[in-house]
Amino acid sequence: SYELTQPPSVSVSPGQTARITCSGVPLPKQYVYWYQQKPGQAPVLVIYQDTERPSGIPDRFSGSSSGTTVTLTISGVQAEDEADYYCQSPDSSGTYVVFGGGTKLTVL
Amino acid sequence: QITLKESGPTLVKPTQTLTLTCTFSGFSLSTDGVGVGWIRQPPGKALEWLAITYWDDDKRYSPSLKSRLTITKDTSKNQVVLTMTNMDPVDTATYYCAHSPVATGTCWFDPWGQGTLVTVSS
Repeated sequence: SYELTQPPSVSVSPGQTARITCSGVPLPKQYVYWYQQKPGQAPVLVIYQDTERPSGIPDRFSGSSSGTTVTLTISGVQAEDEADYYCQSPDSSGTYVVFGGGTKLTVL
Repeated sequence: QITLKESGPTLVKPTQTLTLTCTFSGFSLSTDGVGVGWIRQPPGKALEWLAITYWDDDKRYSPSLKSRLTITKDTSKNQVVLTMTNMDPVDTATYYCAHSPVATGTCWFDPWGQGTLVTVSS
């Protein structure tokens, strides 16, 4: 098995850019997905297949990939973006699914 | 619009078997490529994937929990059932079911059900 590693916390001021990394993506490279979870709510998909944004997700959310690390970038962070963010990927064979440990985004 | 809702007991005793049902609408589990997965989250902790079943009855399980899990589907009822044997207090968590869109060689979840909190205690 493998693990996806995320920083436990990231803090930014409103209007700044937040970057949350997810490392350890298995090779051959699998797609990574990002979920936002606010307190008491179910997770919501914000990025799929590394860089794609579902309809209804603000364009300040973007994803990028470099090697075995992927990054969720939130540009112009707003107070409403304060949440936990999880990355997720299948294993290299697509047999099972792994979530990262989650990153708490705090908007100062 | 796709919706999913989990149902089942809120309290189970240690060693008992947990049975959770996911009832969904807005899609069919007989559509090529579609799946329904289960994910749990202990209070204050991270998400943990448990299992997934696909339109063709392919089933995948978390390696660490495989011996305790069974996932089944009833396409006619639009339901997916997860059973977990030998429950322990560490299994206390919110259990989510989620729709897995059509994909080749990859897997993700959108949308999710609201989740159901299961407490394991004597």
